[in-house]
Amino acid sequence: GAVVSQHPSWVICKSGTSVKIECRSLDFQATTMFWYRQFPKQSLMLMATSNEGSKATYEQGVEKDKFLINHASLTLSTLTVTSAHPEDSSFYICSAPLTGNYEQYFGPGTRLTVT
Amino acid sequence: RKEVEQDPGPFNVPEGATVAFNCTYSNSASQSFFWYRQDCRKEPKLLMSVYSSGNEDGRFTAQLNRASQYISLLIRDSKLSDSATYLCAVGSNYQLIWGAGTKLIIKP
Repeated sequence: GAVVSQHPSWVICKSGTSVKIECRSLDFQATTMFWYRQFPKQSLMLMATSNEGSKATYEQGVEKDKFLINHASLTLSTLTVTSAHPEDSSFYICSAPLTGNYEQYFGPGTRLTVT
Repeated sequence: RKEVEQDPGPFNVPEGATVAFNCTYSNSASQSFFWYRQDCRKEPKLLMSVYSSGNEDGRFTAQLNRASQYISLLIRDSKLSDSATYLCAVGSNYQLIWGAGTKLIIKP
């Protein structure tokens, strides 16, 4: 159990466009989901905590107007990178914990390349 | 001081050897502890939880030392397929704080 999917798995877009990434919990409900970014050879960096039915909580230094998060249902959270720039190229990964648990289950990640 | 610290490595270890690495945490009120494995260009996957009494799963043993505030991971009879980055995660207030990971390379 505890399967999380992400779509798309990779995307290439032009500078200035927006990209939407979906994160779904397939076999459980997730009131909370986490969005991470990982640059090559660097550690996971938490970007924001997505909360179903309320606003996301962003980590310090993460622009909420650039990285729009919508937790539309108990199984779906989306991250939209608006006006993407080459420096936004990274590996974006979502995760979700089972309710009441700490352990997080990760989606397979989305590799974003902005040209 | 970082909340969760790991030696980044890499640890270069011959196949069949035993290797161990630690992860220290600063918040004494932390409640849950985990080891994850991350392969290159892949997402982290839960390897094992770390309980107060320790936890063993096959060749892998995880231990918690609350007094000194660290967790450890021991891998016995290492395999080439154990090569990966091992991330520790420490939970408090229903958030996980991540270490930067320890890179392990098993050599034939």
